[in-house]
Amino acid sequence: DQQVKQNSPSLSVQEGRISILNCDYTNSMFDYFLWYKKYPAEGPTFLISISSIKDKNEDGRFTVFLNKSAKHLSLHIVPSQPGDSAVYFCAASRSGGGADGLTFGKGTHLIIQP
Amino acid sequence: KAGVTQTPRYLIKTRGQQVTLSCSPISGHRSVSWYQQTPGQGLQFLFEYFSETQRNKGNFPGRFSGRQFSNSRSEMNVSTLELGDSALYLCASSPTLGGTGELFFGEGSRLTVL
Repeated sequence: DQQVKQNSPSLSVQEGRISILNCDYTNSMFDYFLWYKKYPAEGPTFLISISSIKDKNEDGRFTVFLNKSAKHLSLHIVPSQPGDSAVYFCAASRSGGGADGLTFGKGTHLIIQP
Repeated sequence: KAGVTQTPRYLIKTRGQQVTLSCSPISGHRSVSWYQQTPGQGLQFLFEYFSETQRNKGNFPGRFSGRQFSNSRSEMNVSTLELGDSALYLCASSPTLGGTGELFFGEGSRLTVL
């Protein structure tokens, strides 16, 4: 049973446009959410996070939106740049540490086209 | 500040053998987590160690084990290897315990089981 789902395995966006990556979760106990970015042959790197007490968190070109009632979060990248081409993982956890560590989605491969 | 270091980066084993992977966390980080990444399942949590004690464990069989030393370095061991154990094994360190903080990942150890 997948508790964190990223339903789009890949997404292609033109350079300069907005990239929107989506993530859904099923476990209502999750209250902290993170996005990681992964280039080939490298480990994932932290991008941005959001606590369930917020519905939006912004960091430069990256904004994460959280809709708790829909159990949905999204990552917006504006404007998209060629260096943003990577696999993006959505992750969720329960505060205070749960027995599950971070629960990751399977990732979305974002391709920024020139 | 040096990042998370994992060794070896690549290794090939045959079914039935055992393997030990090593992880050196960022200096000062006391939590070390291990994740398995496969194309079909994404990143899955194996276990987390903090102050030499296993604090959290994912849903993996007992063939997967680990330990943490007093200098926070960690090893994970997989015994009686199966073909399905072929994966990228990622180690991540954090200054705190639990899944609410940013994790710093190493580049991974890619295990191929023949």
